Amino acid sequence: TQLLEQSPQFLSIQEGENLTVYCNSSSVFSSLQWYRQEPGEGPVLLVTVVTGGEVKKLKRLTFQFGDARKDSSLHITAAQPGDTGLYLCAGGRLGTYKYIFGTGTRLKVLA
Amino acid sequence: NAGVTQTPKFRILKIGQSMTLQCTQDMNHNYMYWYRQDPGMGLKLIYYSVGAGITDKGEVPNGYNVSRSTTEDFPLRLELAAPSQTSVYFCASSEARTGVLGEQYFGPGTRLTVT
Repeated sequence: TQLLEQSPQFLSIQEGENLTVYCNSSSVFSSLQWYRQEPGEGPVLLVTVVTGGEVKKLKRLTFQFGDARKDSSLHITAAQPGDTGLYLCAGGRLGTYKYIFGTGTRLKVLA
Repeated sequence: NAGVTQTPKFRILKIGQSMTLQCTQDMNHNYMYWYRQDPGMGLKLIYYSVGAGITDKGEVPNGYNVSRSTTEDFPLRLELAAPSQTSVYFCASSEARTGVLGEQYFGPGTRLTVT
């Protein structure tokens, strides 16, 4: 059972467009992370959010944690080819040491 | 620092063979993890460890075993390989933090094919 569902699964857009990726669950998480993975490599952390409603910005990327801490979104403004990759959300719960990864969103930005 | 290293990078196994995937980290992290990633999918947790001598099962532990005799090393053992174990395997480590996920550092992965 996949506890974290991401949508869309695939996204192909032109350079300069905006996009939003969603990470949804019926479970509450104490913190949530977003990773980006490029082909042939391991995922690399982009951000960790811990407070319901929290918004964090990383250059053109904006991350939001839902008020109820069950969902999160990643918004990219003016996408560039360098944003191409697999985006993964990962949730964790207090008292456990396990990360639950989402199903992934594969983004391709065309020049 | 090398971070998290994994060997081998690639391996082809015949059905029924066994092998050990090696993972070493030099960041003195207490927590270590093994994941598998099937094509185009997210990561599924196989086993994890919160310190030397302590291991626990993740979502998909069947067909695998682990040990953690030192802080640095966390090998993953495949016994009686099956085609369903064809996947890319990632090892990761993170530091212990209270109440929030620490950043996971991933190795480059091992691409395993079982035929």
